[in-house]
Amino acid sequence: AQSVTQLGSHVSVSEGALVLLRCNYSSSVPPYLFWYVQYPNQGLQLLLKYTSAATLVKGINGFEAEFKKSETSFHLTKPSAHMSDAAEYFCAVTLGGGADGLTFGKGTHLIIQP
Amino acid sequence: GAVVSQHPSWVICKSGTSVKIECRSLDFQATTMFWYRQFPKQSLMLMATSNEGSKATYEQGVEKDKFLINHASLTLSTLTVTSAHPEDSSFYICSASSGLGYTFGSGTRLTVV
Repeated sequence: AQSVTQLGSHVSVSEGALVLLRCNYSSSVPPYLFWYVQYPNQGLQLLLKYTSAATLVKGINGFEAEFKKSETSFHLTKPSAHMSDAAEYFCAVTLGGGADGLTFGKGTHLIIQP
Repeated sequence: GAVVSQHPSWVICKSGTSVKIECRSLDFQATTMFWYRQFPKQSLMLMATSNEGSKATYEQGVEKDKFLINHASLTLSTLTVTSAHPEDSSFYICSASSGLGYTFGSGTRLTVV
């Protein structure tokens, strides 16, 4: 079975600073990995996904993530935080590539300090 | 492309009644849809996988008689919470798999009073 660990339930950064949200996965086979963002009382919006192509994945809103097999990590970064980035971020994994549901991490609440 | 519409966005019902939540794929056909539950300030937990024309597959610990799932067409899956109780109050989110990955509905806030 696969699992996802997100280190840090809350992360606070200053506006304009680097954003780093950590995600480590556990999987017996190469996984598909995703990062989603959720605003209060809303569904999830896909930021980016890793599907075994390029290890550095670029997403929307300036976010990117790098798949590191040796570290079983898929950390999310953004060079310069904006106030609008304040939200809940979820890392998720699946093995089925569409046929199976996603297993989510517990989420990281990103706080942007003015 | 790949839009999923979920209705209603919120519902309040009395204890003991049933509530139906609809999940529609608007611009693609979804052979498989998924239902998740999210408690306040927690992550999403997969409840069941809904396949068009067949019975849903429920995750361990999810009561199939309480959470009835129907996926009668390639664009519609429904979740019915039967004999709802206050502990069923939660945020329910559907998702459909498409060529673009997984697309999520906007969620339904269920409050049972």
